[in-house]
Amino acid sequence: KAGVTQTPRYLIKTRGQQVTLSCSPISGHRSVSWYQQTPGQGLQFLFEYFSETQRNKGNFPGRFSGRQFSNSRSEMNVSTLELGDSALYLCASSLEELAGVYSEQFFGPGTRLTVL
Amino acid sequence: GENVEQHPSTLSVQEGDSAVIKCTYSDSASNYFPWYKQELGKRPQLIIDIRSNVGEKKDQRIAVTLNKTAKHFSLHITETQPEDSAVYFCAASGRGFQKLVFGTGTRLLVSP
Repeated sequence: KAGVTQTPRYLIKTRGQQVTLSCSPISGHRSVSWYQQTPGQGLQFLFEYFSETQRNKGNFPGRFSGRQFSNSRSEMNVSTLELGDSALYLCASSLEELAGVYSEQFFGPGTRLTVL
Repeated sequence: GENVEQHPSTLSVQEGDSAVIKCTYSDSASNYFPWYKQELGKRPQLIIDIRSNVGEKKDQRIAVTLNKTAKHFSLHITETQPEDSAVYFCAASGRGFQKLVFGTGTRLLVSP
C-alpha cells in the first residue's frame, strides 16, 4: 500500500496570508490526525478527523482549522499567518479497526511551512 | 493537563552499548504508549508500542517497559548500532480519539 502523502512539501508565505495543506491517508484508513512540529514545542496535536467529523481538537487558536472529505483525504487551513506558525506540519493516518481503540499512526513526510 | 516528560534530551553511546530513554506521563487514563524514531529530514516511524495491560514488550534489540503505578515507561535499545542514531519520541494516548501527547524527544548518537 502507498504511504501517507502530503502536499505541498514546502511552502513559503508572508504574515497575514492563509495557507491550505493537504493529506492523503493510507487506503482504508479513516482517521487522520494533524500535528505541528517545532524545535521549541516539539510535536503538538492539532486535531483529528474520522469519517468527515472532527472528533478531537488540540489547544490551538481558531485560525487553525481542518476538514475531511468522503474519501478520507484531509486538509488543514491556517488563516492570518504569524511568524510563529513556521513549522513542519505532519499528518498521520490510522486504521482504528475497533472503535475508540488506539492503533498505529502512520505519518506523512510533512509540509514545511515558512512564514516571512 | 496532559503532559509527557522525556529524559535525557541527548544521549551519546558507543556502538554495542545499551541506551535507555525514560518518559513520565501525567494522565492516568492513558492506555497506549508508542515510541517513534525520526531520522533527520524524515517522518516519525513507529518502532514499538505498548498498551496498559502489558508490562513489557520486546522486539529484537528494542524493548519497552511500563509501570502504570508510577506512570513511567522506558525504551531500551541493546547492542546499539550507528544506524540507531536519530531522535526518539515517546508518546501517550490523550483524552479523546487518536490524540497522542508527545515527549520532547531524545537525540541518540551512536559512535562507531
